[in-house]
Amino acid sequence: EVQLVEFGGGLVQPGRSLRLSCAASGFTFDDYAMHWVRQAPGKGLEWVSGISWNSGSIGYADSVKGRFTISRDNAKNSLYLQMNSLRAEDTALYYCAKDTRLAVAGTGGFDYWGQGTLVTVSS
Amino acid sequence: QSALTQPASVSGSPGQSITISCTGTSNDVGSYKLVSWYQQHPGKAPKLMIYEGSKRPSGVSNRFSGSKSGNTASLTISGLQAEDEADYYCCSYAGSSTLVFGGGTKLTVL
Repeated sequence: EVQLVEFGGGLVQPGRSLRLSCAASGFTFDDYAMHWVRQAPGKGLEWVSGISWNSGSIGYADSVKGRFTISRDNAKNSLYLQMNSLRAEDTALYYCAKDTRLAVAGTGGFDYWGQGTLVTVSS
Repeated sequence: QSALTQPASVSGSPGQSITISCTGTSNDVGSYKLVSWYQQHPGKAPKLMIYEGSKRPSGVSNRFSGSKSGNTASLTISGLQAEDEADYYCCSYAGSSTLVFGGGTKLTVL
């Protein structure tokens, strides 16, 4: 059974940093691209970042480019999101999602999602 | 990266068919066969309903179908059922390893 479990969320002050992690199990992690998708309270889905199976290709939404960094450790079956210079508008539930394909460029969609970890940016 | 355009809401009666549109540009929907659709019930994680434009994952009812014409992708749900009431989102590859979602559509089954 595929499982994606996110952790690392919490309350953080504007301008500070936070690192999210996603532990994956039940599939061959290094065969697939992985993504972070967020959802602000009461709002729609927003793609944040994606990384190919071998970290060779990475993409970011304009809203987070230069502040967030995605990475993965295939040996640990883990996906990460380093979030710096956090803003109030980054407040959201952050989902880890598995792609159906190897690379972000050939994405087939997100076939498995975690339950999300809530990030609240507030003073 | 501008969000794809979806109607805010659609509605239909049980047994009817509805279509949700997802309009992008020649930089995203119009250039790639990489549109996916998601169903999200309140308080739940999204569920993949259609991928690569028109393919259905295993376990998804064949009442759900996807298509594309030009810069607009569409999700059609036939034989509406009460459990189809949910929010629906489209998502497209937008080049340079980036993706973009639509704003979401709330489906009400009357």
